[in-house]
Amino acid sequence: GDSVTQMEGPVTLSEEAFLTINCTYTATGYPSLFWYVQYPGEGLQLLLKATKADDKGSNKGFEATYRKETTSFHLEKGSVQVSDSAVYFCALSAYNTDKLIFGTGTRLQVFP
Amino acid sequence: NAGVTQTPKFQVLKTGQSMTLQCAQDMNHNSMYWYRQDPGMGLRLIYYSASEGTTDKGEVPNGYNVSRLNKREFSLRLESAAPSQTSVYFCASSVDRGLGEQFFGPGTRLTVL
Repeated sequence: GDSVTQMEGPVTLSEEAFLTINCTYTATGYPSLFWYVQYPGEGLQLLLKATKADDKGSNKGFEATYRKETTSFHLEKGSVQVSDSAVYFCALSAYNTDKLIFGTGTRLQVFP
Repeated sequence: NAGVTQTPKFQVLKTGQSMTLQCAQDMNHNSMYWYRQDPGMGLRLIYYSASEGTTDKGEVPNGYNVSRLNKREFSLRLESAAPSQTSVYFCASSVDRGLGEQFFGPGTRLTVL
């Protein structure tokens, strides 16, 4: 079945460092790919998405590119801030559905 | 526009007790979902409802029941709580246009002793 694998955390960075969180997926057909973020004590929020191969999703300085050849959707940010500290979830939805399959989440901790 | 709301925020139960978690959305979404979040396991789908009057099992439905009361409300019931059901529960909704974007509530933290 469909699945999502993301790097384990925590990822610990200093402010202004470069961030990469790896995400790979297994799916039949052409899934849509998502990154959700969960700030402490809150529910998940959509951070960015990409619906077809080679699409780049971006939001709040974060980017991820849908790579069909490597079945990957890695999250990147050029300069992280303390306020980016959160848990990040990679997810996919099969073509033409809203049902999501999540990775296990990666905790990011950014120190001043 | 409150989005997705959940009650209660926190709950402590004893083994064998029952309770209902409430969820409501005011975005006129067709689909609603219940997830549980456990450390190291991400979010796992318990049940979902694609429309009023329909419900389907997700990945981990055992020990739970759901009711889609109307388009706005989707409740999750634990009939006889067990310590293994200690978790954070999230409700979500989506438009169901095949776009995959879900909107989440703030969660209910449940502890079963």
